[in-house]
Amino acid sequence: SQTIHQWPATLVQPVGSPLSLECTVEGTSNPNLYWYRQAAGRGLQLLFYSVGIGQISSEVPQNLSASRPQDRQFILSSKKLLLSDSGFYLCAWSRGQGQAFFGQGTRLTVV
Amino acid sequence: DQQVKQNSPSLSVQEGRISILNCDYTNSMFDYFLWYKKYPAEGPTFLISISSIKDKNEDGRFTVFLNKSAKHLSLHIVPSQPGDSAVYFCAASEGGGGNKLTFGTGTQLKVEL
Repeated sequence: SQTIHQWPATLVQPVGSPLSLECTVEGTSNPNLYWYRQAAGRGLQLLFYSVGIGQISSEVPQNLSASRPQDRQFILSSKKLLLSDSGFYLCAWSRGQGQAFFGQGTRLTVV
Repeated sequence: DQQVKQNSPSLSVQEGRISILNCDYTNSMFDYFLWYKKYPAEGPTFLISISSIKDKNEDGRFTVFLNKSAKHLSLHIVPSQPGDSAVYFCAASEGGGGNKLTFGTGTQLKVEL
């Protein structure tokens, strides 16, 4: 069966510090991978998606970047965090058109 | 531009009654629709979906209705149970494009005893 792992679960970082969130998927190959963010009182906003190794599409301009160094690994990064980067970050995967499966999320608080 | 809208941020229903959650969309290219349930500090979990070639899909207590002409879909939960209390997100995708899901802002459902 397929599983998705996302870590850390919670993170408190100072403004201006770097960020690296990691997501890995097991039990499937060549998945589509996604990073979403849920800001307080908001819906789920798609930040990045990837259909293959090294292929990253950005949905919104922002202070974040994503990379896919391996087929089942997706990394969300920032060189310098802003207060506005606080939120609940979710990694997800899918195969073709259909439902996406989400990780447990990372609560990021930038102070 | 919010392409998927859930205009009711919250809904309160008595246990055993029907819960109806609504969702509207503006992008006519969307051809697949999903409902997700989310508890605090957890990732969303898939509930039910519907393709644009159908107007109804049922799975146990959950039924999704799609009205393409109105660009509207709804999720019916009957009977509602206290464990159904959560935030429900409507999502939509269009064929191709890496299966990106566009989510609504969510509706907080509270099922009261």
